[in-house]
Amino acid sequence: DAKTTQPNSMESNEEEPVHLPCNHSTISGTDYIHWYRQLPSQGPEYVIHGLTSNVNNRMASLAIAEDRKSSTLILHRATLRDAAVYYCILRTYGGSQGNLIFGKGTKLSVKP
Amino acid sequence: DAGITQSPRYKITETGRQVTLMCHQTWSHSYMFWYRQDLGHGLRLIYYSAAADITDKGEVPDGYVVSRSKTENFPLTLESATRSQTSVYFCASSEYHGSYEQYFGPGTRLTVT
Repeated sequence: DAKTTQPNSMESNEEEPVHLPCNHSTISGTDYIHWYRQLPSQGPEYVIHGLTSNVNNRMASLAIAEDRKSSTLILHRATLRDAAVYYCILRTYGGSQGNLIFGKGTKLSVKP
Repeated sequence: DAGITQSPRYKITETGRQVTLMCHQTWSHSYMFWYRQDLGHGLRLIYYSAAADITDKGEVPDGYVVSRSKTENFPLTLESATRSQTSVYFCASSEYHGSYEQYFGPGTRLTVT
């Protein structure tokens, strides 16, 4: 399975933008980039996903490098509620390959 | 309540006992999943199910049994609990395997003494 590399932890100030990086140098052409996050004492929740183009939704933006070997999740204005572990996951659809494989993620702390 | 629920939320059991963790979803999603989360390991897939009566192994299936007689329920049984199965267990569902989103339950914290 293609692997991702994320920093163990990051800090941000409230109401400032946050850029969470993810490296995936072995990504294949059929791998989608997914981001999930896990708030303290909760199950993970879907944030965003993309294949080649940058993506925006109500929660975040996903910027994907042209060579697709890295991506960045962007939270435009961090709030205290955004403090969570963020997981970058590569996902190929089809059979068991469609399953999510979680790494250790990046623990984001948000300071008031 | 709509959504995905797990019960019990907390469970303490002894080594060797049988334990069943329940998962129920109200969306009629085809796919359901069981994960465990341990410190230092992130979430790992135990079993998943594509539909009623169809199940398949994930990354760490040993020591666990699943069944799915109804679309909305996906119980996970530890037939003879061991201390190494102390963990937080999450159930999830998705409309189909290629769905972008998996929806996770709140988790069950299981302690085996």
